[in-house]
Amino acid sequence: QPVVTQPPSASASLGASVKVTCTLSSGYSSYAIAWHQQQPDKGPRFLMRVNGDGSHKKGDGIPDRFSGSSFGAERYLTISSLQAEDEADYYCQTWGTGIRIFGGGTRLTVL
Amino acid sequence: QVQLVESGGGVAQTGRSLRLSCEASGFTFSNYGMHWVRQAPGKGLEWVSFIWYDGSFDYYADSVKGRFTISRDNSKRTLYLQMNTLRADDTALYYCARETVDTYDIDFWGQGTLVTVSS
Repeated sequence: QPVVTQPPSASASLGASVKVTCTLSSGYSSYAIAWHQQQPDKGPRFLMRVNGDGSHKKGDGIPDRFSGSSFGAERYLTISSLQAEDEADYYCQTWGTGIRIFGGGTRLTVL
Repeated sequence: QVQLVESGGGVAQTGRSLRLSCEASGFTFSNYGMHWVRQAPGKGLEWVSFIWYDGSFDYYADSVKGRFTISRDNSKRTLYLQMNTLRADDTALYYCARETVDTYDIDFWGQGTLVTVSS
């Protein structure tokens, strides 16, 4: 089964851009992943799916500031024009045989 | 609008049982697969279980296999999680989430129900 790995934390300034990384384990570099956002004390929210070819499909109502990309086994979530409300935990998720696999999450701090 | 409302959480003793429910509204429930995902206090998301849109197949994380059972009643637009032989490490906020049948994306989450297991 694949494993997805994320850095535990990231930070960027208000109004700047940040790229959050999710890395697929060896042998699974073609897999798609999904990004989910969890703001403090809220349930998660689906942001987008990022495919191995770098294409992405966002969930309903997700602002244009959020985008996805891919390079090799890495999948990225880029947030531009950072706002205070973007301070949250970001989880990547992929698919195994009959199961779903979450990364450990990246806590984004907006400075 | 789309809503998933979990209920049934509470405090249970080690070894006892609880049944969680997730009531869906605002979409055609029978057209979606459904998941349970949990989050222990201060920890990340852990996938628990998945059931197909028609209930024909289900899947479990190794940590709950043989103890938890997922089911659904499409006529009541409700998802269930029967949790038996509870352990302290089952303490978590339990979320239900829907999955699209075409792209297999988890595209909507509930707000969660808290389960606390104590001795």
